[in-house]
Amino acid sequence: QVQLVQSGAEVKKPGASVKVSCQASGYTFVNYGIMWVRQTPGQGLEWMGWISSYNLKTNYAQKFQDRVTMTTDTSTRTSYMELRSLTSDDTAVYYCARSYGDYGSYWGQGTLVTVSS
Amino acid sequence: EIVMTQSPATLSVSLGERATLSCRASQSISSNLAWYQLKPGQAPRLLIHGASTRAADIPARISGSGSGTEFTLTISSLQSEDFAVYYCQQFNNWPLVTFGGGTKVEIK
Repeated sequence: QVQLVQSGAEVKKPGASVKVSCQASGYTFVNYGIMWVRQTPGQGLEWMGWISSYNLKTNYAQKFQDRVTMTTDTSTRTSYMELRSLTSDDTAVYYCARSYGDYGSYWGQGTLVTVSS
Repeated sequence: EIVMTQSPATLSVSLGERATLSCRASQSISSNLAWYQLKPGQAPRLLIHGASTRAADIPARISGSGSGTEFTLTISSLQSEDFAVYYCQQFNNWPLVTFGGGTKVEIK
């Protein structure tokens, strides 16, 4: 069955970076991309961007354009989302999801990132 | 940016009753809309894509309708596992993807 397994919770200081991983299984990896979405405390969902597993092209939300990088290692079927220059506003649960770039058909369990001094 | 507005913010429903959730887009998005269910500590679950197509393994009591700017998610007879937060998402303006603010369905 399709599974996306994300890395564990992280605690970071303001100004630091975080890199979250998402390992996929149960489907032909290169046929789909991975989108990243976050949920901030008390807020809804926010789309961060998408990476194609086929040609590794990325599309980022303008809000995160300057400080996010999404990469994929097709040999390990793992995608990564790195967010830099963290502030307390980046405290959130970060999700990956299998996607053609439109909607997420299967999602990871989420990774809590806490930014605190 | 296309703004997605969900209503109500909270819906109190009894077991076995019908729940109707609304999602409105600030401009036409055709049928480029998905619905998700979120429960604490669980992976989000895709319910509906293309505004009305049920995702794999989604029961028939859950249905989606609408096009353009007005959309509805209907749960015809609420089961205990349906109490959750529901989000709509538009992808008409990709990569400017946006979500609604969510509707919490709680037990009445």
